Amino acid sequence: DAGVTQSPTHLIKTRGQQVTLRCSPKSGHDTVSWYQQALGQGPQFIFQYYEEEERQRGNFPDRFSGHQFPNYSSELNVNALLLGDSALYLCASSLHVDGETQYFGPGTRLLVL
Amino acid sequence: AQRVTQPEKLLSVFKGAPVELKCNYSYSGSPELFWYVQYSRQRLQLLLRHISRESIKGFTADLNKGETSFHLKKPFAQEEDSAMYYCALRRSNYQLIWGAGTKLIIKP
Repeated sequence: DAGVTQSPTHLIKTRGQQVTLRCSPKSGHDTVSWYQQALGQGPQFIFQYYEEEERQRGNFPDRFSGHQFPNYSSELNVNALLLGDSALYLCASSLHVDGETQYFGPGTRLLVL
Repeated sequence: AQRVTQPEKLLSVFKGAPVELKCNYSYSGSPELFWYVQYSRQRLQLLLRHISRESIKGFTADLNKGETSFHLKKPFAQEEDSAMYYCALRRSNYQLIWGAGTKLIIKP
């Protein structure tokens, strides 16, 4: 089991563009959470997906959207990129929404120029 | 406001010395608290959770509701403990609120 995987590892975009980040959960996990981690900060919760629906959402604008597929993998989409969206985006999976332990992927580092 | 505060961005101690990483929280409900660790070039991983009252890699953490703290302690630091440590609080809706992290450096 490779654990949680994310792609791509790095990405450079320009302001106004759109980006899609991908995540495959740990084998057996059905819940995916996305976090944004700015430099020098802890992760900030974006949203959580379970049973292909967004279950929880943090304080992020509608430019941030997601999707979960029947195989539990997930995508994070960000539209109209801003310079401030530059960050490490982490995906974490767990067993059900109340799973105590979250398993993290290596992250996707997004740079917006 | 619900918040997790790690007052030290950087903590540097000598090998064999005691370590205490501070974590304070603000939460109106009954908190569930966790410590996560990120070693160099590795992914974020759970170190311990208060509910299990376990000791992992010699680390312990006690929830002090009176002082709203969940400090991480180890009596004798080892070089392999050098890492980034994050304290996190799980809300009643299962969302995690994270501190900004403390970078622990163990000097030989």
